Amino acid sequence: EPEVTQTPSHQVTQMGQEVILRCVPISNHLYFYWYRQILGQKVEFLVSFYNNEISEKSEIFDDQFSVERPDGSNFTLKIRSTKLEDSAMYFCASSELAGADTQYFGPGTRLTVL
Amino acid sequence: AQKITQTQPGMFVQEKEAVTLDCTYDTSDQSYGLFWYKQPSSGEMIFLIYQGSYDEQNATEGRYSLNFQKARKSANLVISASQLGDSAMYFCAMRAHQGGSEKLVFGKGMKLTVNP
Repeated sequence: EPEVTQTPSHQVTQMGQEVILRCVPISNHLYFYWYRQILGQKVEFLVSFYNNEISEKSEIFDDQFSVERPDGSNFTLKIRSTKLEDSAMYFCASSELAGADTQYFGPGTRLTVL
Repeated sequence: AQKITQTQPGMFVQEKEAVTLDCTYDTSDQSYGLFWYKQPSSGEMIFLIYQGSYDEQNATEGRYSLNFQKARKSANLVISASQLGDSAMYFCAMRAHQGGSEKLVFGKGMKLTVNP
């Protein structure tokens, strides 16, 4: 069964460093998303991406964040200068269509900023 | 704006019993979708079941069913014949179909523990 994959599973970085989180969405899916979950809290939407551009972003997704689809399979989230409060689980998700279609989540990348 | 409320912080159930996890929602949209996800201790988010606002029948997926009461704005998840592997966090989520928004809005989740 096709699934969303994410690498690395755990990333530890120093405050102020840049990190890139990588995702491979399900191959025939057209819509891609990033969410984050701070430990013990609910999952929060960051950004959605379709047709090589951002279609929606939340207030959390400020200038420190960017997304890219560098090739036909990968979808990346970059945090330019990490802060302590960026420590969270970051989930990539994809869906075949917009609207009612289900978003399938990857296993997550746990980011720890020291 | 959409809002999901899950008021049960945690529940305990005996193996093989049925359990209902509560979810209420608030939206002004006429067309929307409701989802349940499971998050085991390993951290991944596993899709369980979907209910569309215009679906006339309650959704079912194996041991999972969704008790959808539109007038009450509730979308409770029912797990029949609980198994030890059902112990996890469960999140209710909603997605509006109108206005072009694609994001899922999640509740705070609730922890289910299945006892042998």
